[in-house]
Order: sequence, then C-alpha cells, then structure tokens
Amino acid sequence: QVQLQESGPGLVKPSETLSLTCTVSGGSISSYFWNWIRQPPGKGLEWIGYIHYRGGTNYNPSLKSRVTISVDTSKNQFSLRLSSVTAADTAVYYCAAGGSGVTYWGQGTLVTVSS
Amino acid sequence: EIVLTQSPGTLSLSPGERATLSCRARQSVSSNYLAWYQQKPGQAPRLLIYGASSRATGIPDRFSGSGSGTDFTLTISRLEPEDFAVYYCQQYGSSPYTFGQGTKLEIK
Repeated sequence: QVQLQESGPGLVKPSETLSLTCTVSGGSISSYFWNWIRQPPGKGLEWIGYIHYRGGTNYNPSLKSRVTISVDTSKNQFSLRLSSVTAADTAVYYCAAGGSGVTYWGQGTLVTVSS
Repeated sequence: EIVLTQSPGTLSLSPGERATLSCRARQSVSSNYLAWYQQKPGQAPRLLIYGASSRATGIPDRFSGSGSGTDFTLTISRLEPEDFAVYYCQQYGSSPYTFGQGTKLEIK
C-alpha cells in the first residue's frame, strides 16, 4: 500500500517561493504519475501538475510559469516549487499518485501565504 | 481546458435512499477518462470510480459509475450514513486535468 507524506513550511511570505516535498513509502517511485493537487479553504480541487519517474512533467497552464515539479528516485521523494506566491495560493496541498485517476493521496498540508 | 459541471450543488437524502449525481463536460472526455472521488471534512479525497465505470479497490458495490462522452453519472444505490460527503468528478483524458466543483450529499 503506497503511503504519501507532505512536508514543508506552513507559512510563506508573498512573492516568495513555496516548496513542498512528498515522501513515498510502501511502494516504488518508479511507478505511477506523481501529482500535486491543491484545495483552497472551503473550495474545490485544482490539479497543479505531475511528474513521471523518468522526469517527464505536465503542468496546469494556469500555473505553468511558476511551477516546477521534480523527483529524487534515490530518496523516493518528489517535490513542488511554486514561485511568486500570493494570498490566492493559500491552500491545502496534496501530493498524490495514480495512473487511472488518483489512487493514493497524502493527508495534505495547509500552506498559508501571508506576511 | 475541459470544464466539468456537477449537479446538483447539494443533494439532501435519507439513509437507504438512492443518490444520483451528475457530471457534465463541455467537450467530450477522451477515452472516458473520468473519475469520481469522495471527500469528507478534514480528509483527502478517496478514489471511487475510474474510467467512468470501474470501481476502485475496496469500494463497495453500492457505488456505480456510468456515462460516456460528455455526460457521466455516479449512483449510490442505497445510502449508508458514511456516504454523506462531498463528491467530485475529474477528467484525466486531456491536460489540464480538471475537477468539477463538487456535489455535497447531505442528510435530509
């Protein structure tokens, strides 16, 4: 059973870069597509993008200029960087994995953008 | 991008009743790559259905998905107390992968 755990700062200042890491256990990162999905408080879900273990990426065009997703197969981790954040980026950020739909989800981590 | 519209926004039903949730796409969903998720407060979403009609591992058979092209339906045949939650559809056939806005299933 694949388990995912997000880690990173819960508070980021406006204009700075949000950085989160997802640690994968119970399975190899050399499988699946590894996603980041976010959910603003009280709102719906937004797909940010994914990375394949071989490094291929696919980003949401609405965020593409600010997003980088990378993978470290040696550590069984993948990461999200979102630059130039504003209050609109305040959300619960989920790392998630799947192929047909998103099968595995982390518990989510709330990131607040505020000075 | 493919916009998904879910209806109704809120559905009020009693345990034991049948629930029918709709997800409509503005354009055809490639290969019927349509998934349904259940989300309870404070929890991550859980995959229920993928490929429009295939149940994910461990999902009870009271949950079923149907539809193709632009119109999809999630049916819960007989509601259990634990089924009251928010349900989202997602298409993963065309990038960007988009979600519907959600249907809240509440106890009547």
